[in-house]
Amino acid sequence: NAGVMQNPRHLVRRRGQEARLRCSPMKGHSHVYWYRQLPEEGLKFMVYLQKENIIDESGMPKERFSAEFPKEGPSILRIQQVVRGDSAAYFCASSRSTDTQYFGPGTRLTVL
Amino acid sequence: AQTVTQSQPEMSVQEAETVTLSCTYDTSESDYYLFWYKQPPSRQMILVIRQEAYKQQNATENRFSVNFQKAAKSFSLKISDSQLGDAAMYFCAYRLYTGTASKLTFGTGTRLQVTL
Repeated sequence: NAGVMQNPRHLVRRRGQEARLRCSPMKGHSHVYWYRQLPEEGLKFMVYLQKENIIDESGMPKERFSAEFPKEGPSILRIQQVVRGDSAAYFCASSRSTDTQYFGPGTRLTVL
Repeated sequence: AQTVTQSQPEMSVQEAETVTLSCTYDTSESDYYLFWYKQPPSRQMILVIRQEAYKQQNATENRFSVNFQKAAKSFSLKISDSQLGDAAMYFCAYRLYTGTASKLTFGTGTRLQVTL
C-alpha cells in the first residue's frame, strides 16, 4: 500500500513566480491536510480538505495561497507570486476519516 | 486555542540507555488525541505513538512508551534501549477529537542525539 505521495520533492522558484505542490493521499483516504515547516521550527497547520471541499483553512495566509482537492486527481497547494519568506518544507498528510494522519515526504520550496 | 510545549530543544542519550522527552499541552477540551512523531534527517514525518485522552492506560509500541498525565496535561515519551537510528527530531502533537476539527498542533520539537 503506497504511502502519501508528494511532488516535486524539491522546487526552486524566483520571486514573483507561482509554485504548485501536489499531494496524492494514501489509498482509501479522503481527508488531506497541508502543513508548513519553516527552518528550525515545528509544523504549522495550513488547510484541511475533503474531496471538493475546504473544511478548515484557518492556518492559510489570506493572500497568494490557495488549495484544492478535486474529485479526481491530487490535492494542489498553490502559491502565487512567491516571496523569499515562502521558502519552507510543505508537508501533506492524509487520513481515513478523523483518524491518524500519515505524512508524505514533503516538498522543499526554495525561493531565490 | 490549544498549545503544545516542548521545553527541551536538545537531548542526548548513549546507545542502549533510556531517555525521556517532555511535552506539555494546554486545552480546555476533554476528548483529544496526543501523538509523538519522529523526523529523521530525511525529513519524513513518522508516527511513533498515539494516545487517546479517554484511555487511562499508557500507550506502548515496542521500545517506545508514554507517560500520560491528563490532569497535569503532560505527555512524555520514553525511549528504551536507544539505538543510533533513533537520532532525530521528535515532535509532540495534539488533535481535538471531534467531527471536522482534525488539524494537528505541534510543539517546536526536541532534537535527540544518540552517542556510542
